[in-house]
Amino acid sequence: DADVTQTPRNRITKTGKRIMLECSQTKGHDRMYWYRQDPGLGLRLIYYSFDVKDINKGEISDGYSVSRQAQAKFSLSLESAIPNQTALYFCATSSQFGTSYYEQYFGPGTRLTVT
Amino acid sequence: DQQVKQNSPSLSVQEGRISILNCDYTNSMFDYFLWYKKYPAEGPTFLISISSIKDKNEDGRFTVFLNKSAKHLSLHIVPSQPGDSAVYFCASRKGGTSYGKLTFGQGTILTVHP
Repeated sequence: DADVTQTPRNRITKTGKRIMLECSQTKGHDRMYWYRQDPGLGLRLIYYSFDVKDINKGEISDGYSVSRQAQAKFSLSLESAIPNQTALYFCATSSQFGTSYYEQYFGPGTRLTVT
Repeated sequence: DQQVKQNSPSLSVQEGRISILNCDYTNSMFDYFLWYKKYPAEGPTFLISISSIKDKNEDGRFTVFLNKSAKHLSLHIVPSQPGDSAVYFCASRKGGTSYGKLTFGQGTILTVHP
């Protein structure tokens, strides 16, 4: 079983709709992240959370919100989707402990299309 | 402001030859550098890393070189194999913080031809 799972894997939605992407992890990590990938732009950080009570904006948080429901769950919401939010979205986790505290582990991604 | 740049969108090499992927950064506060590999329909996976106190780190066929004065790092794959065909991202971590945030480059698509 995958350590970091994302649902749904693919989603097509219309402009103006609210949509939620979910991420769950079984790695026991305390830190979780949401990124989006666009061609030619690499991975850009949307939001990150270092524990359940800690939520921080990344470099491109406008139009997005997040919820850390538990240590293992971190969801990303688009309150009113727009076409330029069409992208591949990744959730990632890391731990502040251990020798690999800098390494992040990624989920398989959610391909979102906003028409 | 792109603090981590991979200026080559793609690279094509022959099986058995060396692949060299390059990455430049602008922030002197970066103290740790990582390379990730990404196959289609999968998330990125960690490949190799290097601390700013070193200039080389080797792991099997993969070697990362760091030139701090030039703010440049490179990933060498020798010998290249068709299974190495993927998108490669370099990433950097800013020192002085324990947050674990990474800044990623745009990625380079590597194609290794049999």
